[in-house]
Amino acid sequence: EDQVTQSPEALRLQEGESSSLNCSYTVSGLRGLFWYRQDPGKGPEFLFTLYSAGEEKEKERLKATLTKKESFLHITAPKPEDSATYLCAVRSTSNDYKLSFGAGTTVTVRA
Amino acid sequence: GAVVSQHPSWVICKSGTSVKIECRSLDFQATTMFWYRQFPKQSLMLMATSNEGSKATYEQGVEKDKFLINHASLTLSTLTVTSAHPEDSSFYICSAPTGGRRKTYNEQFFGPGTRLTVL
Repeated sequence: EDQVTQSPEALRLQEGESSSLNCSYTVSGLRGLFWYRQDPGKGPEFLFTLYSAGEEKEKERLKATLTKKESFLHITAPKPEDSATYLCAVRSTSNDYKLSFGAGTTVTVRA
Repeated sequence: GAVVSQHPSWVICKSGTSVKIECRSLDFQATTMFWYRQFPKQSLMLMATSNEGSKATYEQGVEKDKFLINHASLTLSTLTVTSAHPEDSSFYICSAPTGGRRKTYNEQFFGPGTRLTVL
């Protein structure tokens, strides 16, 4: 069974204070690791897909990296508008197209 | 990115009534769509997989007679909560993967969600 664990559960940052979120996963065979951003009362917004260890992707202040066991989402010089819950999900060879989600990390950035 | 819409965005109903939620892929075709529910401060839980032209596949523990799913076209899936009760109150979200009939699913794009409150 696919397992996804995100840490920390919550993260409070000062504006400009860079940090990283962790997503550890256990799958039979990885078909993709996904990062989403979710604002309160909204559906998840797609950020990145990573497919193989060593891969990196960037979007504005966010950078996602992937190893064989975990992924990191780095937030560089965050702004208050980066406050959201960040969800990690995996798609595996055993579950074809289904996504298994982690519990999420809620990030709060104070001005 | 691809756009997925949901309607309504929120609904309040009385216990015992049925509620229908629509999920549409606006700029791409989706032979498969997914329905999730999310309780406050929890992550998304997959309820069922909606397949165009065939029966939906339900996750373990999800009552298929209570949560009726219809995927009548390549751009529309509906979830009907039948005989709703207060414990069915939740945030329901649909998603659709790109890739179409080639089944090379890449990203999944989510709708904005529907907040259901059953009184």
